[in-house]
Amino acid sequence: DAKTTQPPSMDCAEGRAANLPCNHSTISGNEYVYWYRQIHSQGPQYIIHGLKNNETNEMASLIITEDRKSSTLILPHATLRDTAVYYCIVRPPNAGNNRKLIWGLGTSLAVNP
Amino acid sequence: EAGVTQSPTHLIKTRGQQATLRCSPISGHTSVYWYQQALGLGLQFLLWYDEGEERNRGNFPPRFSGRQFPNYSSELNVNALELEDSALYLCASSLPRQGVETQYFGPGTRLLVL
Repeated sequence: DAKTTQPPSMDCAEGRAANLPCNHSTISGNEYVYWYRQIHSQGPQYIIHGLKNNETNEMASLIITEDRKSSTLILPHATLRDTAVYYCIVRPPNAGNNRKLIWGLGTSLAVNP
Repeated sequence: EAGVTQSPTHLIKTRGQQATLRCSPISGHTSVYWYQQALGLGLQFLLWYDEGEERNRGNFPPRFSGRQFPNYSSELNVNALELEDSALYLCASSLPRQGVETQYFGPGTRLLVL
């Protein structure tokens, strides 16, 4: 089972920041938080990942709470092309043969004009 | 740099037939993962290959199998197709390393079983 909980859907106005929450209250100390998104019927696209510190790249920012039990993905200026299902995944570092990603149902983000 | 590629993009088969799906990883990546995404459901892990060996498989019957070639490309074979095998099949590649690796996905093959 997925170790994360996300709201099933969210709306955001074009040009505004989209803040997508994720709860992972059972996360272990060495587990990473990963974010992917999937635009309709396409392959998932990697967005960002983090362990403890906040992270930023050209696509988004990832804010992880100090207790690491939740995180927020921030798309600073959402566009219509950001409409997608966003997945938050918790995974351990490489450990033997357990490298699969366990996916929940994600958050369906609709960016409206 | 080219991303992960998959072929064919769409595949239509009838129940009982066999399907072969192909995946080419990002250049330099040695690991290939296969996932199944049935309509309206999350991705389910199928298989993981690294350096030509099957390293792990998900909770799927043995009629789901595959292999990885010396150039690290991979095939997924599904025998005795059933209607519920209709799904989007996704391949991801990664470069195993210390710490954590990132899996990068291809566009998928949509399999329809009639």
